[in-house]
Amino acid sequence: EDQVTQSPEALRLQEGESSSLNCSYTVSGLRGLFWYRQDPGKGPEFLFTLYSAGEEKEKERLKATLTKKESFLHITAPKPEDSATYLCAGISGGYNKLIFGAGTRLAVHP
Amino acid sequence: EAGVTQSPTHLIKTRGQQATLRCSPISGHTSVYWYQQALGLGLQFLLWYDEGEERNRGNFPPRFSGRQFPNYSSELNVNALELEDSALYLCASSPGTGTYNEQFFGPGTRLTVL
Repeated sequence: EDQVTQSPEALRLQEGESSSLNCSYTVSGLRGLFWYRQDPGKGPEFLFTLYSAGEEKEKERLKATLTKKESFLHITAPKPEDSATYLCAGISGGYNKLIFGAGTRLAVHP
Repeated sequence: EAGVTQSPTHLIKTRGQQATLRCSPISGHTSVYWYQQALGLGLQFLLWYDEGEERNRGNFPPRFSGRQFPNYSSELNVNALELEDSALYLCASSPGTGTYNEQFFGPGTRLTVL
């Protein structure tokens, strides 16, 4: 069964303290790995798509990487406004449905 | 450019009633997706419509149904509401099939079943 697992479930950081979020996946015929950010009570906001192992993408303080079994979201020198739930999702060939992990709740404190 | 819009923002129903949720995709997008985000369960895929046709369906009972209109907007209907249907219902859109396009989400409709 296709599955996406994220860790840790929750992460508390001090402002400026860099860290990484993990997303491991078992999605048959994975065609893309997506990262989203979700603020409470709102819809997910698209961050990155990764298509092949070794690919990396960056946006401000965020950098996403992909291997054959997992993806990492690296947060460099985070700020309180980076506090949110970060969701990882895989998409398998032909079905266009995103298979989401449960998310990592990130809290960045000043 | 306007994003995905959903209405209503909140909807309160009682058990056994029917709920209708609406979604307008980003201009130029032909695919619309529906997801359910129940408390503690994460986002679960419900339905995918493209060019007016249902293309894929998640593991939900038949009382969850929908349609896509010629202008690509979409409607999700939930019949015979149950308490466990209380959730945030999210609509997403993408440019269409053929490639694995990013899905852009709307703000959601919070459905509460009493």
